[in-house]
Amino acid sequence: AQSVTQLGSHVSVSEGALVLLRCNYSSSVPPYLFWYVQYPNQGLQLLLKYTTGATLVKGINGFEAEFKKSETSFHLTKPSAHMSDAAEYFCAVSARTGANSKLTFGKGITLSVRP
Amino acid sequence: DAMVIQNPRYQVTQFGKPVTLSCSQTLNHNVMYWYQQKSSQAPKLLFHYYDKDFNNEADTPDNFQSRRPNTSFCFLDIRSPGLGDAAMYLCATSPQVMSNQPQHFGDGTRLSIL
Repeated sequence: AQSVTQLGSHVSVSEGALVLLRCNYSSSVPPYLFWYVQYPNQGLQLLLKYTTGATLVKGINGFEAEFKKSETSFHLTKPSAHMSDAAEYFCAVSARTGANSKLTFGKGITLSVRP
Repeated sequence: DAMVIQNPRYQVTQFGKPVTLSCSQTLNHNVMYWYQQKSSQAPKLLFHYYDKDFNNEADTPDNFQSRRPNTSFCFLDIRSPGLGDAAMYLCATSPQVMSNQPQHFGDGTRLSIL
């Protein structure tokens, strides 16, 4: 069985500061990895995904994430936070083996951006 | 723009009164999913359709049912809503049942129970 751990429930940064949201996974085979963002009263929007190839993945809104197999991690970063980045962020995985697109989500992290 | 549309955005119903939430998509995706998301929690998959093939999660209560009359539409029926069913309900789609393909989400329906 696979699982996702997002440590902490809330991260607060100043506008212009580095954003780092952590995600670790547990799976016998490295899974496919996703980051989604959810703004208040909206659905989830895909930020980026890692399936194969280059381990540093660039997404929308200036976010990127790096898959590190040795650390079983897929941390999300952005060099300079903007007020509009305030939202809930979910890391998710799906099994690489088998034809099943079911996502397993982490608990989510709320990002606050201070002026 | 192709999208996933959920109606209504906000739904209020009475305890025990059946309610139906709807989802439509213009993406022509084969797979449609329903999730329940309670406050400050991750979305929880209730069931999904691959074309007309219905797949229920083992822990989804019998109170929750779904219908998919055609490719574009999918409905979530809650037969006798309880207070614990108050949540955001999210519909999502994906092209195929392939785990490397991301899901596309609607904006959700927030259900309140009186």
